[in-house]
Amino acid sequence: DVKVTQSSRYLVKRTGEKVFLECVQDMDHENMFWYRQDPGLGLRLIYFSYDVKMKEKGDIPEGYSVSREKKERFSLILESASTNQTSMYLCASSFQGINNEQFFGPGTRLTVL
Amino acid sequence: ILNVEQSPQSLHVQEGDSTNFTCSFPSSNFYALHWYRWETAKSPEALFVMTLNGDEKKKGRISATLNTKEGYSYLYIKGSQPEDSATYLCASTNFGNEKLTFGTGTRLTIIP
Repeated sequence: DVKVTQSSRYLVKRTGEKVFLECVQDMDHENMFWYRQDPGLGLRLIYFSYDVKMKEKGDIPEGYSVSREKKERFSLILESASTNQTSMYLCASSFQGINNEQFFGPGTRLTVL
Repeated sequence: ILNVEQSPQSLHVQEGDSTNFTCSFPSSNFYALHWYRWETAKSPEALFVMTLNGDEKKKGRISATLNTKEGYSYLYIKGSQPEDSATYLCASTNFGNEKLTFGTGTRLTIIP
């Protein structure tokens, strides 16, 4: 059974704080992704990684950075959280190849006050 | 950025009825079309990944078709059950691109 886990289901932070969202997958997937989901908008890609220490910007990378030091772990970092980063954050992973399905984590609902 | 559109935005269907909804995507340079089901309080789960024009895939009571020339896919649910209540997402990708672009989803509610 593929498992993608995220460090928190709910998180409340203050404006200006540095926030770390962690994602771990146990299926040896090469690709890992971070998305955010907002009402009325589709899942929007923030960053993705296709290998350890490799990263590529998605559609909305501003205000975020990522880290992938190990194959199974992909971290999303909000350097200085702002209220417009209040959202649901979803991590996903897949084998390499764009016809491979993505496996999603349960999501982290982040509120920035 | 690809523009992937889904319709309708939401749908209420009586239990036992069949239903379908649409995903449209740019057909130029198309490579793959994904369908995901996202139930409340759960993670999105893949239903189908389709690449070939005219392809039809089936999983139980759910099936999907793909027209890559005109840029659309239909998802069909036969004999809807309460457990089919979910948001159905489609996503498209182009050649040479590992990124999926998602539509906004169709929120399906089955009325018992």
